[in-house]
Amino acid sequence: EPEVTQTPSHQVTQMGQEVILRCVPISNHLYFYWYRQILGQKVEFLVSFYNNEISEKSEIFDDQFSVERPDGSNFTLKIRSTKLEDSAMYFCASSRTSGVFTYNEQFFGPGTRLTVL
Amino acid sequence: QKEVEQNSGPLSVPEGAIASLNCTYSDRGSQSFFWYRQYSGKSPELIMSIYSNGDKEDGRFTAQLNKASQYVSLLIRDSQPSDSATYLCAVLEGIYGGSQGNLIFGKGTKLSVKP
Repeated sequence: EPEVTQTPSHQVTQMGQEVILRCVPISNHLYFYWYRQILGQKVEFLVSFYNNEISEKSEIFDDQFSVERPDGSNFTLKIRSTKLEDSAMYFCASSRTSGVFTYNEQFFGPGTRLTVL
Repeated sequence: QKEVEQNSGPLSVPEGAIASLNCTYSDRGSQSFFWYRQYSGKSPELIMSIYSNGDKEDGRFTAQLNKASQYVSLLIRDSQPSDSATYLCAVLEGIYGGSQGNLIFGKGTKLSVKP
């Protein structure tokens, strides 16, 4: 069964460093998402992406964050200058459809645990 | 602020019993609702989606939706120890927010099934 994959599974970085988290969405899916979950807290939406551009972003997704689809399979999240409060699990998700009236089932990858020291 | 509320639990049920998990949401424009299962340290796994009022059954799982009451529930029949996990209710942000499809999650209900 096709699944979303993410690398690395765990990333440790120093405050102020740049990190790139990588995702390979399910191959016939067109919509991609990043969510994060700080330990013990809710899963929070960061950004959605379709047709090589951002569809929507949350207040969390400030200028320090960017997303890219550098080729036909990868989808990346870059944090330019990490802060201590960026420590969290970052989940990539993908869906075949989007929009509020369609069956927007989002499937999550295994996540990348980001630790900022 | 759009909210999805769940009782954090823990909800403890004996093996073989029915587990009942509940969720309320604030956004009246929401049309799509999901239940995810999350084992400790793992990612959310989609187990049910529901879009219309009423019940939807899939194996041992039944999702129930009442849009008028802004209420979603999940029943797990014949609960097994392997069902022990945190169950996340997720709501697709509604049309009035202009959303393209981001999910709003509750904090989750921790379920423990005792052998």
